[in-house]
Amino acid sequence: LAKTTQPISMDSYEGQEVNITCSHNNIATNDYITWYQQFPSQGPRFIIQGYKTKVTNEVASLFIPADRKSSTLSLPRVSLSDTAVYYCLVGGGFQKLVFGTGTRLLVSP
Amino acid sequence: NAGVTQTPKFQVLKTGQSMTLQCAQDMNHEYMSWYRQDPGMGLRLIHYSVGAGITDQGEVPNGYNVSRSTTEDFPLRLLSAAPSQTSVYFCASSRSLASTDTQYFGPGTRLTVL
Repeated sequence: LAKTTQPISMDSYEGQEVNITCSHNNIATNDYITWYQQFPSQGPRFIIQGYKTKVTNEVASLFIPADRKSSTLSLPRVSLSDTAVYYCLVGGGFQKLVFGTGTRLLVSP
Repeated sequence: NAGVTQTPKFQVLKTGQSMTLQCAQDMNHEYMSWYRQDPGMGLRLIHYSVGAGITDQGEVPNGYNVSRSTTEDFPLRLLSAAPSQTSVYFCASSRSLASTDTQYFGPGTRLTVL
C-alpha cells in the first residue's frame, strides 16, 4: 500500500491558484494517482487522475514529476465553492484505495 | 441515471439494535463498497464486493455484514449496534477494480448509536 502524505489544511482567497502537494514515496509501478473532492455532508467526488507528467481537465491540473514520488493538484482561480476536503489516493482496486485525512481547503472572499 | 443512492439519510439506534443500510446503483457496476467516515478523518473501507455473490472484508469489517444478491444492491447490516459505530457511512461503486476506473459515491447515511 502506497501511503500518502498531504497538508492537513490550506487557506486561500477567491481568484488565487491553489496547489496541494501529496507525497507518495513508495508508489508502485502500476499505481495511478487520483484526487477526490469532498464537500460537507456529501460523498467524495472524482476530480482528476494521472500516471505521469501532466493531466488537465475542466476542473484542475495534476502535475507528476518523473520519479512519481509526489504529485500536485492545481486549482486555478479558486472560488468559495471550492472550499472542501481534497484527498490524494494512490493505487488501484478497492483494497488499495486508501483515503487519508485529506487536505481541508478554505477559500475566503 | 440516479447513480448511487443510499437510504436512510439519518438514523438513530440504541445500543444492541440491528439495522440495514441500503445502497443501490443503476450504472451496472460490478464493484461496490462500503466506507465509514468518522469526524475529521478519512474514509475507511468496511466491506466490498466484486460482483453478485462475492464479498470480502476491508480495513474495518468487525460488527458489519454484507451480501450481494444482485448487481444493483449492496446492503450493509449492523448486527448489534455499538456507540463506536456512530459514523457517516458511504457506499461507492465503480465499473471495475482497475485503478483507472472512477468510484462513484452515494450521499451517505449519518448513523448515531446511543
